[in-house]
Amino acid sequence: EPEVTQTPSHQVTQMGQEVILRCVPISNHLYFYWYRQILGQKVEFLVSFYNNEISEKSEIFDDQFSVERPDGSNFTLKIRSTKLEDSAMYFCASSPGQNKHGYTFGSGTRLTVV
Amino acid sequence: GQQLNQSPQSMFIQEGEDVSMNCTSSSIFNTWLWYKQDPGEGPVLLIALYKAGELTSNGRLTAQFGITRKDSFLNISASIPSDVGIYFCAGQAGNNRKLIWGLGTSLAVNP
Repeated sequence: EPEVTQTPSHQVTQMGQEVILRCVPISNHLYFYWYRQILGQKVEFLVSFYNNEISEKSEIFDDQFSVERPDGSNFTLKIRSTKLEDSAMYFCASSPGQNKHGYTFGSGTRLTVV
Repeated sequence: GQQLNQSPQSMFIQEGEDVSMNCTSSSIFNTWLWYKQDPGEGPVLLIALYKAGELTSNGRLTAQFGITRKDSFLNISASIPSDVGIYFCAGQAGNNRKLIWGLGTSLAVNP
């Protein structure tokens, strides 16, 4: 069964450093997303990406965040200068382009900012 | 903003019992999705609902899209130990593709 792959599974970084989280969405999907989940809290939407541009972003997705689809397979989330409160699980997801909106999520990257 | 109220927050049941959890919203949703999340893993889609009144089953799981489009429930029949995890409802409104999430229901099953 096709799956969304995320790397790394766990990243520890120092406050102020830049991190790049990587995702390989399902190959024939057209919509790509990043969500995050702070420990013990609900999943929160960050950004959606379609046709090589951001289609929607949340208040959380400020200037410190950026996304890119550098080639035909990868979808990355960059945090420019990490803060302690960026520590969370970051989930990538993709969905097909039809009316059905069901997503497939990756296993997540646990980001720990120290 | 749009919010989903999911209940109960947690459940502790005996193996073999049936389980029911639900989500409500103050606004209309066009899609309801139910996910299960195991520790350290990403959410896994259990059931997707696209029409008001729709009742869909996936094995021992049954979910319904409320006719008011403001609620959904998930039932698990004859629970087993591997049902343990956190169950999330999520919904989509309008033409938005982003998911609005409930806070989750943590399920523990006593063998």
